[in-house]
Amino acid sequence: GAVVSQHPSWVICKSGTSVKIECRSLDFQATTMFWYRQFPKQSLMLMATSNEGSKATYEQGVEKDKFLINHASLTLSTLTVTSAHPEDSSFYICSAGDRGLVQPQHFGDGTRLSIL
Amino acid sequence: DAKTTQPPSMDCAEGRAANLPCNHSTISGNEYVYWYRQIHSQGPQYIIHGLKNNETNEMASLIITEDRKSSTLILPHATLRDTAVYYCIVRALQGAQKLVFGQGTRLTINP
Repeated sequence: GAVVSQHPSWVICKSGTSVKIECRSLDFQATTMFWYRQFPKQSLMLMATSNEGSKATYEQGVEKDKFLINHASLTLSTLTVTSAHPEDSSFYICSAGDRGLVQPQHFGDGTRLSIL
Repeated sequence: DAKTTQPPSMDCAEGRAANLPCNHSTISGNEYVYWYRQIHSQGPQYIIHGLKNNETNEMASLIITEDRKSSTLILPHATLRDTAVYYCIVRALQGAQKLVFGQGTRLTINP
């Protein structure tokens, strides 16, 4: 079946570092990918919608200059957490959908980011 | 905001059927009901979806009431590996494909 690969699976960085997370659709093309953040014992919160070849759409309250999204191809979207601080520590998850509108989204296995 | 309401937690004995309810009383005619689950520290896993007819696949069955205001996900023979948070989501057929997650139901399968 369709698979979404996310890399890295976990990362530990010092405060002030920028961290890039990759999301790849392995056997299908995804014009749209989504980025979520999940804090411990909470649900997934949508951060932004990544559109291939155009600017990402951010949810209210999400800083676009803090969380840079690039969707340069139909199989790759990247999320860069710029100048990360301890409060950015979280579980980041991406998803991608097949072109058919009814097809479900497929999720990556997430990236656990810890900022010291 | 999520358009669904689910009980925060449920328990079920291993080998028994697990029935997870979901209320979506404001669902629109063009919205599907999706179920995902999330096992600890993993990304959500798709289970099943439906519009108005009951659906069944190798993982589960989805029963949608005739008025479509509620649904039930049925895991016919629950195993310990089914312990997870289960999310019921409604999503329109047209427009943005984003999924808005509510708090879900934490299902614990007991031996």
